[in-house]
Amino acid sequence: AQSVAQPEDQVNVAEGNPLTVKCTYSVSGNPYLFWYVQYPNRGLQFLLKYITGDNLVKGSYGFEAEFNKSQTSFHLKKPSALVSDSALYFCAVSSGGSYIPTFGRGTSLIVHP
Amino acid sequence: DAGVTQSPTHLIKTRGQQVTLRCSPKSGHDTVSWYQQALGQGPQFIFQYYEEEERQRGNFPDRFSGHQFPNYSSELNVNALLLGDSALYLCASSQGSRGDTQYFGPGTRLTVL
Repeated sequence: AQSVAQPEDQVNVAEGNPLTVKCTYSVSGNPYLFWYVQYPNRGLQFLLKYITGDNLVKGSYGFEAEFNKSQTSFHLKKPSALVSDSALYFCAVSSGGSYIPTFGRGTSLIVHP
Repeated sequence: DAGVTQSPTHLIKTRGQQVTLRCSPKSGHDTVSWYQQALGQGPQFIFQYYEEEERQRGNFPDRFSGHQFPNYSSELNVNALLLGDSALYLCASSQGSRGDTQYFGPGTRLTVL
């Protein structure tokens, strides 16, 4: 079975500071890893994914994520946070077995002006 | 390019009733997956349709059923509604049954009274 852990329910950061949202995963075989963002009363919006290749993945809106196989982590990062980045962030993992992603519980990111 | 669309936006039903939710996939996509997102939780996979057949199913009872039409659009039907079925229902589309990136619609908010 595959699973995702997002250890922080909430992350608070000041505007202009770097942000990190943590994600660890468990899966059989090679992981496919995803980050999605959800704004209030909206669906999930795709940010970025890791399938293979370079461990540092760049995505939409200046976000990036680093795949670390030894630590089974896929943390989301951004060098300079914006107030408009405040939202709910979901990490997801799938594998070649089913390609159906399993989502974490989400992390609420709050960026303070 | 139209993204994933869902209807209706909101729905209120009473226990025991039946409901049908609708989804049109992103242009060029032929696979539709349905998810249930309870308050404060990540999306939970219900089932996936490809080539008008249910290809994979999550841990949901038979009260949850679906259909995919030749134009790739899909319906989710829930019978004998329970209070616990109250949630945001998300549709996601992808290319092929092994499509690695799913794109989500805005969701249908179902409230069961």
